[in-house]
Amino acid sequence: DVKVTQSSRYLVKRTGEKVFLECVQDMDHENMFWYRQDPGLGLRLIYFSYDVKMKEKGDIPEGYSVSREKKERFSLILESASTNQTSMYLCASSLLGPLAKNIQYFGAGTRLSVL
Amino acid sequence: RKEVEQDPGPFNVPEGATVAFNCTYSNSASQSFFWYRQDCRKEPKLLMSVYSSGNEDGRFTAQLNRASQYISLLIRDSKLSDSATYLCVVNKGSNYQLIWGAGTKLIIKP
Repeated sequence: DVKVTQSSRYLVKRTGEKVFLECVQDMDHENMFWYRQDPGLGLRLIYFSYDVKMKEKGDIPEGYSVSREKKERFSLILESASTNQTSMYLCASSLLGPLAKNIQYFGAGTRLSVL
Repeated sequence: RKEVEQDPGPFNVPEGATVAFNCTYSNSASQSFFWYRQDCRKEPKLLMSVYSSGNEDGRFTAQLNRASQYISLLIRDSKLSDSATYLCVVNKGSNYQLIWGAGTKLIIKP
């Protein structure tokens, strides 16, 4: 079974703090993704990576950065947390292969509250 | 216009009934289509891929209509455990990015 592990289920941070969200997958997937999910909006892509040290902006990258130093690990960084970054953050991974088999597997999510 | 649109529901359906959801997408270059299921406060999980000819997995049937750019999901003989939010997902053209609908909430009542 694919396992995607996010380091924290719940986080409470203060405005202006630097926040690190870690994600590790154990299936040797090339692709990794960070999303945020807010009520009524669905999943929105923040950043993704197709390979080590590679990153691409998604739809809402402002206020975020990412790091992929190893294939299995993809980190999301909030440089200076703000209250509008309070959300559920979901990490996902998928294989680099046929698009029809482009299935994403998710971690359990991190619910971040910024006060 | 949203890239993937779904009726948010909720659909309140008695146990044993048949229920159908539709989803429309705007990118005619999309090549892969999925239905995911998300339980309350949990992560999304793949329910089924959607193939051009339509496909079935037990009580679940998925259809794709490329001409009209919509995808459907039919659930027969619904169970209490089918209560969840169903997410329609489409890939973004020819790359690995997925575009997610906001989901349709289904509540199965005894």
